[in-house]
Amino acid sequence: EADIYQTPRYLVIGTGKKITLECSQTMGHDKMYWYQQDPGMELHLIHYSYGVNSTEKGDLSSESTVSRIRTEHFPLTLESARPSHTSQYLCASSDPGGNQPQHFGDGTRLSIL
Amino acid sequence: AQSVAQPEDQVKVAEGNPLTVKCTYSVSGNPYLFWYVQYPNRGLQFLLKYITGDNLVKGSYGFEAEFNKSQTSFHLKKPSALVSDSALYFCAVRFETWQLTFGSGTQLTVLP
Repeated sequence: EADIYQTPRYLVIGTGKKITLECSQTMGHDKMYWYQQDPGMELHLIHYSYGVNSTEKGDLSSESTVSRIRTEHFPLTLESARPSHTSQYLCASSDPGGNQPQHFGDGTRLSIL
Repeated sequence: AQSVAQPEDQVKVAEGNPLTVKCTYSVSGNPYLFWYVQYPNRGLQFLLKYITGDNLVKGSYGFEAEFNKSQTSFHLKKPSALVSDSALYFCAVRFETWQLTFGSGTQLTVLP
């Protein structure tokens, strides 16, 4: 098992709340990623980072934001949650190099009421 | 643009029978190809990858995959399926960029 952790695992919260999803990895990987996945469906990249102080938006437009102040930590924030944000969010990390696999956390299942 | 397709949303096999989960890709050049598995309420777990070399790649849990350049395919296989293999399987491709492009996933059900 890869050492990448996401908290909380499940979150049910009301509309308009500010939410931060945590992601930490202990492997020293420079690259980190956030994906959005609806149940049983394909993954969509929403954010990525090459390293500290590097953040970029992915292919799927998202109202969330990310930060990368430390190598091991890559939190995702929703300033004002809406029901359309209901989904599963997966964090991943990888070593540099195109032949390196990504290692995934177990995800946060988010429900906005 | 690179793309990857998993033509079957669902695959059902009986326990003990061989299984195949199909994946085709569209890139020009030499891609890096990956298979991942996802169990309920879990993240994706890496199974195997093809970078270069032998067309038959062996991975975790007895899975293997065959790279076929002429057919641009990278099918996942296992000689004898287990009920515990039931899960969602994703093929992914990387070419010339660091980003992975994932297929839409195939739900594998192994029947006891």
